[in-house]
Amino acid sequence: DAGVIQSPRHEVTEMGQEVTLRCKPISGHDYLFWYRQTMMRGLELLIYFNNNVPIDDSGMPEDRFSAKMPNASFSTLKIQPSEPRDSAVYFCASSSWDRVSDQPQHFGDGTRLSIL
Amino acid sequence: KQEVTQIPAALSVPEGENLVLNCSFTDSAIYNLQWFRQDPGKGLTSLLLIQSSQREQTSGRLNASLDKSSGRSTLYIAASQPGDSATYLCAVGEEYGNKLVFGAGTILRVKS
Repeated sequence: DAGVIQSPRHEVTEMGQEVTLRCKPISGHDYLFWYRQTMMRGLELLIYFNNNVPIDDSGMPEDRFSAKMPNASFSTLKIQPSEPRDSAVYFCASSSWDRVSDQPQHFGDGTRLSIL
Repeated sequence: KQEVTQIPAALSVPEGENLVLNCSFTDSAIYNLQWFRQDPGKGLTSLLLIQSSQREQTSGRLNASLDKSSGRSTLYIAASQPGDSATYLCAVGEEYGNKLVFGAGTILRVKS
């Protein structure tokens, strides 16, 4: 089975540019999560979706960040305009709901973003 | 606000040793607790998930325990191997387990 697929793996861009990160969740999973990992703050949840609907975006740092999930197999995280402090590794994860037991989240390999 | 602390921050052991990684959390009203492994340049891999009603979970050489009332969890690794070298992250689940609050991790190095 293919896992969570993220693209690009690496992105280097200049301050002020728009950045779009992409994620394909595991087929059949109805939850999708976006995280950010930095040395200073560790791993933080930015936003999560259930059945393509945003449920909690309280972790989104600023209005410069936006996320969409137009269908069950695709999500984007956009930063516009980007700033050097947005440099981090961004992870996407997905999971499924099971009425019997909790299911773990499955993570992609991340996008390493560097804003110059 | 939930805070998750992991001790030690780093650990170096010779191959074959049994070891314990510790995780503590400030709010005991959790839905579940998960242990993840992260290899350099990679995403997180789920190792064990303990539901709030459970006391422990086992998978192979790994055993995780949960004491919700005291806000503690431990990950026990038996007979460590060089392949176990990685960062181990503890995360408590809130809101039906959908919101994970992570600790900073323990960097483990197993020397051959």
